Amino acid sequence: DVKVTQSSRYLVKRTGEKVFLECVQDMDHENMFWYRQDPGLGLRLIYFSYDVKMKEKGDIPEGYSVSREKKERFSLILESASTNQTSMYLCASRLAGGSPRETQYFGPGTRLLVL
Amino acid sequence: GNSVTQMEGPVTLSEEAFLTINCTYTATGYPSLFWYVQYPGEGLQLLLKATKADDKGSNKGFEATYRKETTSFHLEKGSVQVSDSAVYFCALSQASEGYKLSFGAGTTVTVRA
Repeated sequence: DVKVTQSSRYLVKRTGEKVFLECVQDMDHENMFWYRQDPGLGLRLIYFSYDVKMKEKGDIPEGYSVSREKKERFSLILESASTNQTSMYLCASRLAGGSPRETQYFGPGTRLLVL
Repeated sequence: GNSVTQMEGPVTLSEEAFLTINCTYTATGYPSLFWYVQYPGEGLQLLLKATKADDKGSNKGFEATYRKETTSFHLEKGSVQVSDSAVYFCALSQASEGYKLSFGAGTTVTVRA
């Protein structure tokens, strides 16, 4: 059974803190993604990674960075958390290859509150 | 760039009612189209997909047909259940965009017994 896990379901942090969100997949997928989900805006892509040590900016990368040192793990880092980063964060992974048919599999999400 | 527009919610229905959620897209070329569902407290899961024009995706009684002439991928179910209460997202991906998913805003559906 496919599995994408995220380190926390709920997280409360203070403004200015450095925040790490971890995502692990056990499907040997090359591609991994970080999205944030906000009401009325759907999901917006923050960063993605085609493979180990590779990263690409998505649509809203400002204020975020990522790390992909191992194939199964993709970390999202908020260098200095701000209240406007309060959101639901979703990680996803998919097989690589030239097929748009490949499904993205999502983790359960991390709901982050920045005070 | 690519974009997806889906009907605004929330949508409230009675059990056994007919559900339709409209979705239209803007893209160059031939994207693949998806419907994802998010049940309360969970992540997204794929509901159905279609990869070329006139394809029909179906799953759990839901259907959607890829209509290139109207750039639409409307989701339908003939008889909803309380367990169908969820947020539904229409999305597309395309090779020219690195297979990233572009999502609509989501439609919240509540089914009452």
